[in-house]
Amino acid sequence: NAGVTQTPKFRILKIGQSMTLQCTQDMNHNYMYWYRQDPGMGLKLIYYSVGAGITDKGEVPNGYNVSRSTTEDFPLRLELAAPSQTSVYFCASSENRGSYEQYFGPGTRLTVT
Amino acid sequence: LAKTTQPISMDSYEGQEVNITCSHNNIATNDYITWYQQFPSQGPRFIIQGYKTKVTNEVASLFIPADRKSSTLSLPRVSLSDTAVYYCLAATGGTGGGADGLTFGKGTHLIIQP
Repeated sequence: NAGVTQTPKFRILKIGQSMTLQCTQDMNHNYMYWYRQDPGMGLKLIYYSVGAGITDKGEVPNGYNVSRSTTEDFPLRLELAAPSQTSVYFCASSENRGSYEQYFGPGTRLTVT
Repeated sequence: LAKTTQPISMDSYEGQEVNITCSHNNIATNDYITWYQQFPSQGPRFIIQGYKTKVTNEVASLFIPADRKSSTLSLPRVSLSDTAVYYCLAATGGTGGGADGLTFGKGTHLIIQP
């Protein structure tokens, strides 16, 4: 099992550009999550999904979009990148919500200049 | 917002037992307490989870008193490699709860010295 994989590992965007952060898990988990972590801070939930076709907003969803067409994939879309979106993005999955452990990917470090 | 409060940092020495306390005064009946460990440039890693009393696994113990308003993560005989940030979460299990509780606060930065 590869677990949770994320691509790319690093990316530099110019203000106003768009990109998609990819996340794939091979554990057949229903729940998937996107977090962002700013320097020296904890993780904040952007969006989450409880299964294919079902997504919902987390604490900081503005400026992002998600889709979940399959159990395995949960891409995060940034439209019109802004410097405030400079952060490390982590994708995670879990068998269930809350009471089951989340498995995290290695993260994508994004810089918007 | 995170539903938990932890110390920002702690220091200890190799071979000591370290106890990190987390406060969760407004914990809900269905919430579980989960602890994660994070090293620099890595995603968090699950350590332990519990609902009440005591849970022990190969790396840690988790103590939750009857009122469930706090919990203590206990790391026995720490080593330099235990230097990391430790996060405490209180989140609802099952299919309910939405995003409530799924925000990691700043965590506790544990520094282990030789």
